[in-house]
Amino acid sequence: DIQMTQSPASLSASLGETVTIECLASEDIYSNLAWYQQKPGKSPQLLIYYANSLNDGVPSRFSGSGSGTQYSLKINSLQSEDVSIYFCQQNYDSPPTFGGGTKLELK
Amino acid sequence: QVNLLQSGAALVKPGASVKLSCKASGYTFTDYYIHWVKQSHGKSLEWIGYINPNSGYTNYNEKFKSKATLTVDKSTNTAYMELSRLTSEDSATYYCTRGGFDTYYGYKGFAYWGQGTLVTVSS
Repeated sequence: DIQMTQSPASLSASLGETVTIECLASEDIYSNLAWYQQKPGKSPQLLIYYANSLNDGVPSRFSGSGSGTQYSLKINSLQSEDVSIYFCQQNYDSPPTFGGGTKLELK
Repeated sequence: QVNLLQSGAALVKPGASVKLSCKASGYTFTDYYIHWVKQSHGKSLEWIGYINPNSGYTNYNEKFKSKATLTVDKSTNTAYMELSRLTSEDSATYYCTRGGFDTYYGYKGFAYWGQGTLVTVSS
């Protein structure tokens, strides 16, 4: 199975700040990477697919980048509603696998 | 709009089985696979497997092959997952989910999710 390693595991940032979350795959996943946001008590929601494509309705302050084994999610101008857990997930090979998650809190 | 409505929370005894449901609406049920995902301790996510509602074909994560059984009822647009021989390790929230598709890139990932079903295994 492809292992997905996310960092950091938790992150504290101030309103208006820019934050970056990293995801490292154990092998090349050829940009077949998705990012999800999970707000407290809710289901995960797809934010980004194919490493850098914004899903419908997702604010433009979210962006994704990367290739090969290294990927990142950037949130510009952090808002209070961005407090969530963020997961990366590869869908290059079966089984699809997720990173361990990054918990984003407000400072 | 696509909606996946899951059954309510379940409290089950160790060694027992439980069957969870996921009722789909807002799209043609047989056109898209239904996947199931486990979330333990409110954090990590694991893919359990998927079922093709049209053919009934299933594909399981090796880790869950002896734990989960996926079925569908096309007459009610409902997918089911039965978990057997439950232990405390099976206490988790289980989600059904469906893929989304982009006209250029194709498969996007898990674009639609049910609200989740909390399973608690306790005597």
